[in-house]
Amino acid sequence: KNEVEQSPQNLTAQEGEFITINCSYSVGISALHWLQQHPGGGIVSLFMLSSGKKKHGRLIATINIQEKHSSLHITASHPRDSAVYICAVMYSGAGSYQLTFGKGTKLSVIP
Amino acid sequence: NAGVTQTPKFRILKIGQSMTLQCTQDMNHNYMYWYRQDPGMGLKLIYYSVGAGITDKGEVPNGYNVSRSTTEDFPLRLELAAPSQTSVYFCASSILGNRNQPQHFGDGTRLSIL
Repeated sequence: KNEVEQSPQNLTAQEGEFITINCSYSVGISALHWLQQHPGGGIVSLFMLSSGKKKHGRLIATINIQEKHSSLHITASHPRDSAVYICAVMYSGAGSYQLTFGKGTKLSVIP
Repeated sequence: NAGVTQTPKFRILKIGQSMTLQCTQDMNHNYMYWYRQDPGMGLKLIYYSVGAGITDKGEVPNGYNVSRSTTEDFPLRLELAAPSQTSVYFCASSILGNRNQPQHFGDGTRLSIL
C-alpha cells in the first residue's frame, strides 16, 4: 500500500529556532501538498509542489523527486507556528481526487 | 468570502440515529470532498464529487451517502450511526483536481456516537 511517512511525529522548539519537518513517500507522485492544522482544528493549504522549491514568508518547502522526499522548513519560528503540519501526496496514475495523507507532525514552539 | 462552510460544528448522536452534515462553498469550485480524521491517523477520503450530479466513493465510504444537486452544496449523510463513525469530518473543495490546485477546507464537524 502506498504510504506517506512524516518525521518527527512531535517536535518542540524554542522561539527563533529553524524547524525542519520531513515527508517521504513510496512511489512516483504527480503533486505533493503541505497543510497546516491549527490547534482549533481548521486546515489550511500551505504549498503544492511537484518539483524544486517554494517559499512563502518564513516557510520553505522543497521536494526531491528522485529520493521521494520533501521537507518543510520554518525559519525564525514563533509560537504562532504551533500547529500540526500534514504532508499529502497525489500518486501518479491516481484520479485527480485521491490524496494520501501522512499522520502529521505536531509542532510546539515555546517562547 | 466565506469559503467552505460546515454545519454543525459539534454533534452527539445515539447509536442508530441518522444525520446530515452540511457543506457549502461559495467559490464556484467543481471538486468537493468529504474526509474523516481519526486520532493519530491521516485524513481518509469518504466521498468526492467532480461536479453537480456526479459523486464517487473514496477510501472509506461504508455507512455514508452523499449527493451533489448544486455546485455549492455537498451534504454527507450518516444512516444508522455507529460508534466507529465517531470522528472529525472535514469538507473541502478545489477548482480543479489535486494535481493542479490546493484544496480549501471547512472548519470541521466533530461527531460523537454514543
